[in-house]
Amino acid sequence: SAVISQKPSRDICQRGTSLTIQCQVDSQVTMMFWYRQQPGQSLTLIATANQGSEATYESGFVIDKFPISRPNLTFSTLTVSNMSPEDSSIYLCSVGGAGNIPPYEQYFGPGTRLTVT
Amino acid sequence: LAKTTQPISMDSYEGQEVNITCSHNNIATNDYITWYQQFPSQGPRFIIQGYKTKVTNEVASLFIPADRKSSTLSLPRVSLSDTAVYYCLVGDDDYKLSFGAGTTVTVRA
Repeated sequence: SAVISQKPSRDICQRGTSLTIQCQVDSQVTMMFWYRQQPGQSLTLIATANQGSEATYESGFVIDKFPISRPNLTFSTLTVSNMSPEDSSIYLCSVGGAGNIPPYEQYFGPGTRLTVT
Repeated sequence: LAKTTQPISMDSYEGQEVNITCSHNNIATNDYITWYQQFPSQGPRFIIQGYKTKVTNEVASLFIPADRKSSTLSLPRVSLSDTAVYYCLVGDDDYKLSFGAGTTVTVRA
């Protein structure tokens, strides 16, 4: 298994500003993912972040709005840029590819609850 | 990715068995069936995965009929702490997880 922490756990931000969310894993992992979960909704994949390459974004998400860094095998950041109230959500990172763990068995962080006013 | 359909919500009482059925009529030959559990204010947690027949672990059982067009997650003797959202996912050997709406299970005393 893998233990994942996220910082901050929650934040309240003003529109037009940016917030960087950190995701730290206690072991080296190949794949890291960023999801968004809007209030009362399911999870939506934002992007896949692999170390040493550019993040791959899902339809509806762009790098200018959600830049991602993956400097090493245990860490990633997601920035929510030029925020608006519609960005108010829980942002979660997950990891896969740790050891012999199969791809469908991912481990999720606790999430970052973002409120934009 | 095959689309999944599951009930929006289910109510149960402590000590009962809860069975959640997920429909996935368009499941492909290479697809696995995976279930996740999400407690309030937490990230989802992997519960169980199967391809066909029955799989059991310390948390749940997964029943998959021969045609694989549906699957049933069985939670034995639930307790209040089993109150959560349960997601059924179908996909092949790919890291991308596609979450549906999930089933909110509420266990009452």
